[in-house]
This record gives sequence, structure tokens and C-alpha cells, in this order.
Amino acid sequence: GQNIDQPTEMTATEGAIVQINCTYQTSGFNGLFWYQQHAGEAPTFLSYNVLDGLEEKGRFSSFLSRSKGYSYLLLKELQMKDSASYLCAVHQAGTALIFGKGTTLSVSS
Amino acid sequence: GAVVSQHPSWVICKSGTSVKIECRSLDFQATTMFWYRQFPKQSLMLMATSNEGSKATYEQGVEKDKFLINHASLTLSTLTVTSAHPEDSSFYICSARDTGVGETQYFGPGTRLLVL
Repeated sequence: GQNIDQPTEMTATEGAIVQINCTYQTSGFNGLFWYQQHAGEAPTFLSYNVLDGLEEKGRFSSFLSRSKGYSYLLLKELQMKDSASYLCAVHQAGTALIFGKGTTLSVSS
Repeated sequence: GAVVSQHPSWVICKSGTSVKIECRSLDFQATTMFWYRQFPKQSLMLMATSNEGSKATYEQGVEKDKFLINHASLTLSTLTVTSAHPEDSSFYICSARDTGVGETQYFGPGTRLLVL
């Protein structure tokens, strides 16, 4: 079957670094997406990893290990506006993305 | 990045009426669009995959006669909630797949439906 796991909730303080993990077991794999979703809004694209390794994009970085079925999203210099849900999604060719249930991150001052 | 719009952003309707939601890809062509539903504090639930020029593919448990999907062009898909009932009240989000690198899905801003 298809299974994507990520923690339900995480908390952190402003200025800190937080790592949100995602493990997956899917029948196919073309790549892995991370999306950010603020309460009451639609998801916005953050990153896409196809190859193993770390992709850095400003304060956000995403890592992938295909052999381990594992990814993480790293958020540095946390800001209050980073409080949101972070969705991990597996891309399989020709199909809809398979989403995890999301990790709700709360950033406090 | 690519832009996807949805209209309307908010709709309130009486029970028994039909509501049409439009999803447009503004700066790219999308042969495939997706429709999701999200209830408060729950994850996105895929309802159907909309393919331009062909019938939509519905997920298990989603009634195709209740949720009519039309994808008449490479930039427009519509979802019609027929004979809406209060339990259909939800946040409906579309996404469009860019056929470029990674086939990234870009989401529209969502439509909040409240059925009274």
C-alpha cells in the first residue's frame, strides 16, 4: 500500500532551527514535494527533490534519501509567519500526488 | 512560479442548489487538474483527477453524479456540486499539473462552500 508518515505537530521558538521528517512507502516514486499550508489557505509549493541530497532555498532546505524512503524539511531562523502545516507529498508518474497528513508547526516568541 | 486561480473564493448557498467552481491555470497549460476537499484540521482529500478532453477519474467514495467535473480546455476545469447539502460544506481546492520538470502541482487559493 501507500504510506506517508510525518509528525502531527511540532513546536519551536523564533530564530531556532526545526527539522520536519517524512518517511514514505509507496509503490512508485518519481520525486518528493514539500508544501506549506497556512490555516484557511491553499498549499503553496516549497520544494521538489528527485535525487538524493540536500536542496537549499533560502531559509528552507529539503533532503531526500531514496534508499531509505526518507525526506526532511529544514527551516532555519524561524519566524512567526512560519507557523503553518507542512505537507510531504510523493510524486508518482502520471498520478496525483500522495500527501501525508501534514505537520502543524507552531512558532512562538 | 505558476499561478492557478479559483472562482469563487467564497460561496454560500441553500440546500438543494448547485454550485459551480472554476479552476484556471493562468500562465501554463495543464492537461491534468486535480480537485481536493479539506475539512477543518484535516488533510487534503483527493476527490478526482480531471483530464482535458476526457472523463474525470473519481476516487473511491466520491459520487461522480454529485460532483460533476468538466475539463474543456487546457487552462480550465470546473467542479459542479449538484444538489448541495450541508455536509458538502468544505474547502474545495484545485491544483493544476505543470507538465514541465517534476510535473509540479500548483494549487489554487481554494473555495469555501457553506451550504445552509
